[in-house]
Amino acid sequence: NAGVTQTPKFRILKIGQSMTLQCAQDMNHNYMYWYRQDPGMGLKLIYYSVGAGITDKGEVPNGYNVSRSTTEDFPLRLELAAPSQTSVYFCASSLTGGAGANVLTFGAGSRLTVL
Amino acid sequence: AQSVTQLGSHVSVSEGALVLLRCNYSSSVPPYLFWYVQYPNQGLQLLLKYTTGATLVKGINGFEAEFKKSETSFHLTKPSAHMSDAAEYFCAVSFSSGSARQLTFGSGTQLTVLP
Repeated sequence: NAGVTQTPKFRILKIGQSMTLQCAQDMNHNYMYWYRQDPGMGLKLIYYSVGAGITDKGEVPNGYNVSRSTTEDFPLRLELAAPSQTSVYFCASSLTGGAGANVLTFGAGSRLTVL
Repeated sequence: AQSVTQLGSHVSVSEGALVLLRCNYSSSVPPYLFWYVQYPNQGLQLLLKYTTGATLVKGINGFEAEFKKSETSFHLTKPSAHMSDAAEYFCAVSFSSGSARQLTFGSGTQLTVLP
């Protein structure tokens, strides 16, 4: 099994450009998440999805959009990129819902630089 | 509101020495606690978790953590460090009720193992 696959691994954007970070999982997990990781700040939740067609905002959603048309895919779109969006982005998924004992499976990350 | 504090953003130990990474949490209800590890250029992987029951939890690669309610702590330990333990470690907290968004990560501790 591939687990959680993210593409691209690296990307440089100019201010104002747009792009989509792709995320796919093959574990039939209902829940999927997008986090960003900034140095010394831990992981912050951007958006999450509890199933196909259902998404909701996390802690830091501004400047991002998501969609979930299938169970497998959860792309993250950046509109009008800004330097503040320079970060490492992680996609994750989990089988069970709720905030309890569910364990997240993470992708390898996408490093985005906005110049 | 829940929060996680990891004391020490960088910890260095000699190979063979005790590893102690500190994590304190605040939560108004009984927490679920996690330690994740991130090796260079990889996503996060679960090391261990505490849900209910035994307060001493054993994880992969010889790591363990003890849930101490009176101290609101969940420190991670390993008796003898190995070079391969060099990585960043994240403590996280959630609780039994609540939505999928309510998993809170600490800011991380970078562990360096010296030869």
